[in-house]
Amino acid sequence: DIQLTQSPSPLSASVGDRVTITCRASHNIITWLAWYQQKAGKAPQLLIYKASSLESGVPSRFSGSGSGTEFTLTISSLQPDDFATYYCQQYNNLPLTFGGGTKVEIK
Amino acid sequence: QVQLVESGGGVAHPGESLRLSCAASGFIFSTYPMHWVRQAPGRGLEWVAVISHDGSIKRYADSVKSRFTISRDNSKNTLYLQMDSLRSDDTAVFYCARGVVVEVAPTSVYTAFGPWGQGTLVTVSS
Repeated sequence: DIQLTQSPSPLSASVGDRVTITCRASHNIITWLAWYQQKAGKAPQLLIYKASSLESGVPSRFSGSGSGTEFTLTISSLQPDDFATYYCQQYNNLPLTFGGGTKVEIK
Repeated sequence: QVQLVESGGGVAHPGESLRLSCAASGFIFSTYPMHWVRQAPGRGLEWVAVISHDGSIKRYADSVKSRFTISRDNSKNTLYLQMDSLRSDDTAVFYCARGVVVEVAPTSVYTAFGPWGQGTLVTVSS
């Protein structure tokens, strides 16, 4: 199975900060990586697919980059609505797997 | 708009069965792969199973293989998850999710997930 390791966790930040979350894969997954945001008690929402493609309707302050085994999710200017848990997910191999999550907290 | 609504969750004893349903609307259901993903209380996300758009391909996580069966009825726009031999570690919120088919082969089951349903809670306890 492909293991995904997210860092940091948790992440303390302030409104307006530039925030970067890293996801490292145990094997090469090319660019078959997605990012999700999950708020407490709610279903996850897709932010980014294929490493850097922004899902329709997602604010442009979210961006993704990377390939191979190292990927990043960047929020250019953190907004109050962005405090949540973020997960990466690979879809290069079965079983499809998720990272352990990064909770973005208010500093 | 796209909507996925799960139902069928509840309380079961170890060894019992439950069947989850996911009613889809707002898109051409028969053209998308569909997934089940679960989340144990306070834990992360775990992929459970996927079925191809026409039901010909089914794949499972090792943790549920031989106990859970994914199926779909494209005439009813509904996805199912039959869960047998339930265990306490199956306790979770179960989400159905549509496969993201952009930039993947139309018949692929290797996809990202979006959108997701609101989830249905399954509790397995004696």
